[in-house]
Amino acid sequence: GAGVSQSPSNKVTEKGKDVELRCDPISGHTALYWYRQSLGQGLEFLIYFQGNSAPDKSGLPSDRFSAERTGGSVSTLTIQRTQQEDSAVYLCASSSLPGQGRFITGELFFGEGSRLTVL
Amino acid sequence: SQQGEEDPQALSIQEGENATMNCSYKTSINNLQWYRQNSGRGLVHLILIRSNEREKHSGRLRVTLDTSKKSSSLLITASRAADTASYFCATSPYSSASKIIFGSGTRLSIRP
Repeated sequence: GAGVSQSPSNKVTEKGKDVELRCDPISGHTALYWYRQSLGQGLEFLIYFQGNSAPDKSGLPSDRFSAERTGGSVSTLTIQRTQQEDSAVYLCASSSLPGQGRFITGELFFGEGSRLTVL
Repeated sequence: SQQGEEDPQALSIQEGENATMNCSYKTSINNLQWYRQNSGRGLVHLILIRSNEREKHSGRLRVTLDTSKKSSSLLITASRAADTASYFCATSPYSSASKIIFGSGTRLSIRP
């Protein structure tokens, strides 16, 4: 597509429910990143994918959070048994890494985010 | 944990003045990027500077990088009301080349 697409743009859920957030990256971008941003705060790194694999899952806040990427394209971030502290904007970004071997980062293209509110 | 910390947290200047924001980071990096975020929206890439570069320009933007001090600055010259936004630095740690860590951001307000 023309840009990174995220859905839903807004999600209100009740505490304890599961939610799925979707990210559709720019076609051909091999790297995909998830971040979380609380109101007025910076971006908290969650996870990134190189192709379908996630070399670094260290940013996931707890085992209630999981993410997958299939076909080297669409990614889904799942939050199980949501808590009120999970309320935030979840941002996805994709990037075309410049080469093989040791990955060197380039420009990130961001989606507009999914705003999650847990009541 | 945050790799980068921006300074100041908030900055308010008169239209036409220059705005300078600073970023400090903790570990060796491959490159450093600056992004802009308008309220409630996604981030937009402004400029990337590699670890072997000291200064880079793009339009009204000037970025410097001092790897010995682990710091970078973003200068916006001749500011405009439309420059009002939050600005973030983002680093790619040398130890984890594909990971990109963002700082806490500077909220810039331009008074007309």
